This record gives sequence, structure tokens and C-alpha cells, in this order.
Amino acid sequence: QKEVEQNSGPLSVPEGAIASLNCTYSDRGSQSFFWYRQYSGKSPELIMSIYSNGDKEDGRFTAQLNKASQYVSLLIRDSQPSDSATYLCAVNMYSGGGADGLTFGKGTHLIIQP
Amino acid sequence: DTAVSQTPKYLVTQMGNDKSIKCEQNLGHDTMYWYKQDSKKFLKIMFSYNNKELIINETVPNRFSPKSPDKAHLNLHINSLELGDSAVYFCASSQGLGGASYGYTFGSGTRLTVV
Repeated sequence: QKEVEQNSGPLSVPEGAIASLNCTYSDRGSQSFFWYRQYSGKSPELIMSIYSNGDKEDGRFTAQLNKASQYVSLLIRDSQPSDSATYLCAVNMYSGGGADGLTFGKGTHLIIQP
Repeated sequence: DTAVSQTPKYLVTQMGNDKSIKCEQNLGHDTMYWYKQDSKKFLKIMFSYNNKELIINETVPNRFSPKSPDKAHLNLHINSLELGDSAVYFCASSQGLGGASYGYTFGSGTRLTVV
């Protein structure tokens, strides 16, 4: 069973602080990892992708990947009220020779308190 | 100029009816998907097409039938609608199988309500 696990929250963070979102996945052979942001009533929007162990930074966002621990995280620095949304972790899990599409976690609801 | 467009945006229908949702992408991607997002916001893959060929067919009732007339279009037809089919259905596209390189681009979703 291929699974992506996230704490559903809500995760409440004061404005200006660092928000830390975590995700674990079950398939050790997974190759590609993504973070999507979804505002209420809107479609998911890709904000970060990561493929290698370590950190990847893009503006206020940092994605961290540890394949040995099967763990992905997203850090949001200087959190803003506009960052309040549901954050979805997605993992590309391969089986056999084919691609199985992205498996999504259930999302973490992040609330940034002004 | 919308990259992935879905129609209709809202669909309210009675149990037992048959309905279709259409999706078109102008990104030149070769893979398209249907995902279902339930009331708890869980996104679950239903189908995937690569260059008009069905690649992924998850365990969904056979009342759901996808059709891809060309690689820019993927439609979803649902027969004999049930209350449990109420959800938001998202179309997505990617370059390459599984969105391995660039992830997905999602359409705006179709909110289906079965009454």
C-alpha cells in the first residue's frame, strides 16, 4: 500500500515565525517529491519540488528531503497571513517499469496568526 | 489564457443521472489525469492517460469512464450518479509519466453535487 502521511493540523503559527510542515512516505523507491498549496475552494498550486537528499531553497520556502528516513519537509520563513492554506505533500511512486502518478497526503491545514 | 480548463465548474444533478466533465490543456503536455477530492480534502487518483493511452485505472466503479480523443483533451463520463460521487473532480496534466519532472498543473476543478 503506497501511502503519504501528513499531520492534518491545524498548525497555528504566529506571523513572522517559521512554519514547519512534515511528510513521510511508504515507498522507498520514490524519486520525486512535491509540495502543493491549496487555498479553500481553489485548485492545488505547485510551490516546491525536490529530487535529491538535502535542502532546496526558493524564496521563503525550503524543502528538505531525507530518503533514508523517507521524510520530506517544507519550511516557510517569515510566515505571512497569505500563507494560510492547506499544504499537500505529493510523491511520485514508481512500480515495475511504469509511473503511477502522484500520491498525495491528506494535507496539513496551516493558519498564520496576525 | 487558461492552461488546464475544466467545464463545468459546478454541477448539481439528481441521483441516477448521467453527466460528463470535460478537460482541455494547452500546455503541450502528453499526460493527463483525473483526481477526486473528497469532503476531507483527500486527493485520490482515478485515471491517467498518456498520449491517448490509458495508463492508470485505479479501483473506481465502472460507472466512471474516461475518454481521451487526443492528448490535449480528457473527459470523464459518469453513469447512474450516486450520492457518494459528490466531490470535487480535478483534471491535471504533466509532461512525462507521473509528473516526475515538473509535477502537475491542475485545472480549477468541477464541484459535483448529487442530490
